[in-house]
Amino acid sequence: GAVVSQHPSWVICKSGTSVKIECRSLDFQATTMFWYRQFPKQSLMLMATSNEGSKATYEQGVEKDKFLINHASLTLSTLTVTSAHPEDSSFYICSARADRGPEAFFGQGTRLTVV
Amino acid sequence: DQQVKQNSPSLSVQEGRISILNCDYTNSMFDYFLWYKKYPAEGPTFLISISSIKDKNEDGRFTVFLNKSAKHLSLHIVPSQPGDSAVYFCAASSKGGSEKLVFGKGTKLTVNP
Repeated sequence: GAVVSQHPSWVICKSGTSVKIECRSLDFQATTMFWYRQFPKQSLMLMATSNEGSKATYEQGVEKDKFLINHASLTLSTLTVTSAHPEDSSFYICSARADRGPEAFFGQGTRLTVV
Repeated sequence: DQQVKQNSPSLSVQEGRISILNCDYTNSMFDYFLWYKKYPAEGPTFLISISSIKDKNEDGRFTVFLNKSAKHLSLHIVPSQPGDSAVYFCAASSKGGSEKLVFGKGTKLTVNP
C-alpha cells in the first residue's frame, strides 16, 4: 500500500510555457500533499504544503504565482510551473500523507528541463 | 540554519558488514523521525521511523536508534547488501509527526561486493 504516482516522469518545455505535474495517491486518501524541489547533490527543498480543498501554504522564497498548486481531491494534487524559465529546470517531487500516520510517501519525481 | 544535519556526505562499507548512518538535529520540538532511501532520478522511499517516546525501532535489517538527550539518531543496516547503495535522508517532524518534514542533506551509501 501507500503508492504515490507522479506524472510525467520527465518533461522538456520551451521558455515561457507552462507545465503541469500531477501527483496521485493510488491506494489511500491524502489529506496533505507536499511539493519539493531537489537541486543536484542537494537535499529536498520543501516548496509548499497543500491540504485538500484549501489554499497551499508556500515556504518562504517560493513564488506562489509562479508555482501554482491545486489539491482538488483527496487523491490528486497538481503543480503548475507558469512561464517557465531555464532556472526552473530541476527535479520536482511530491509526497502525500494520510490521516493514519505521519509517514509521507513520495512520487517518483519529475525531471523538468526548460530550454 | 540547518535543523537536521547529516555530517557524512558519503559512506562506503563491505557487503555483509554493518552500515551506520548518523543524523543530528537541533530543534527540540522534533518528536518524530524518519529515514528515506533514494536512488538517482527517483523519489525517496520510506524505510523506517521512530517516535520520540521510543529509543529503538527495528524492521528486518534496518534499526533506528534515537538518543534524545544528544539529539542524535542513527540508522543501522545489517547485513549490508549492494542493493542498499543509495542516498539516505534523515527527516524530522514535530507535533507527533503531523508537521512538515525537515530533511537532512543525505548520506550516499556505497556497499561494495
